[in-house]
Amino acid sequence: DQQVKQNSPSLSVQEGRISILNCDYTNSMFDYFLWYKKYPAEGPTFLISISSIKDKNEDGRFTVFLNKSAKHLSLHIVPSQPGDSAVYFCAASVKYSGAGSYQLTFGKGTKLSVIP
Amino acid sequence: NAGVTQTPKFRVLKTGQSMTLLCAQDMNHEYMYWYRQDPGMGLRLIHYSVGEGTTAKGEVPDGYNVSRLKKQNFLLGLESAAPSQTSVYFCASSKMGRRPNYGYTFGSGTRLTVV
Repeated sequence: DQQVKQNSPSLSVQEGRISILNCDYTNSMFDYFLWYKKYPAEGPTFLISISSIKDKNEDGRFTVFLNKSAKHLSLHIVPSQPGDSAVYFCAASVKYSGAGSYQLTFGKGTKLSVIP
Repeated sequence: NAGVTQTPKFRVLKTGQSMTLLCAQDMNHEYMYWYRQDPGMGLRLIHYSVGEGTTAKGEVPDGYNVSRLKKQNFLLGLESAAPSQTSVYFCASSKMGRRPNYGYTFGSGTRLTVV
């Protein structure tokens, strides 16, 4: 039972255009969402996050939108650059009582290719 | 500032062999995690630790053991490797008691092939 879903395995976008990566979740207990970027042969790196009390968070060219009623979030990259070509993982967390550890549940990832 | 360091980076094992993957972090993080990444499967949590001397099972713990004898190190062991354990393994760490607003810090991964 996949709790975090990224239904598009890949996405191609022209340089300068907007890239929109989507993520859906099923667990209503998730209250924090993150996006990671991963280049080949490297570990994932944190990109941007959003708390469930917000519906938008912006950081430079990257904006994450959260629609709690639809259990959907999206990452917008404007303008897209060739260096943005990577695999993007959506992740969500719910605080586990007792352990206090904010474990992350990841989606399968979307491979973004930005074409010059 | 090394962050999270994983050793080895590559390894080929024969079925039935054992090995230990080492993860070391120099950020004084309390929490550490082991994930595996398989094609089309994303990142799945194997085991995690919330502090020195403590470990817990994640989503896919079978066939693995872990130990956290020192705060900075988190070891992942395969007692009898199987081809199904062919994967890329990532270690990550995070601070205690903090919202994951900055996320985990990941190592660069260990690519393990079991033949």
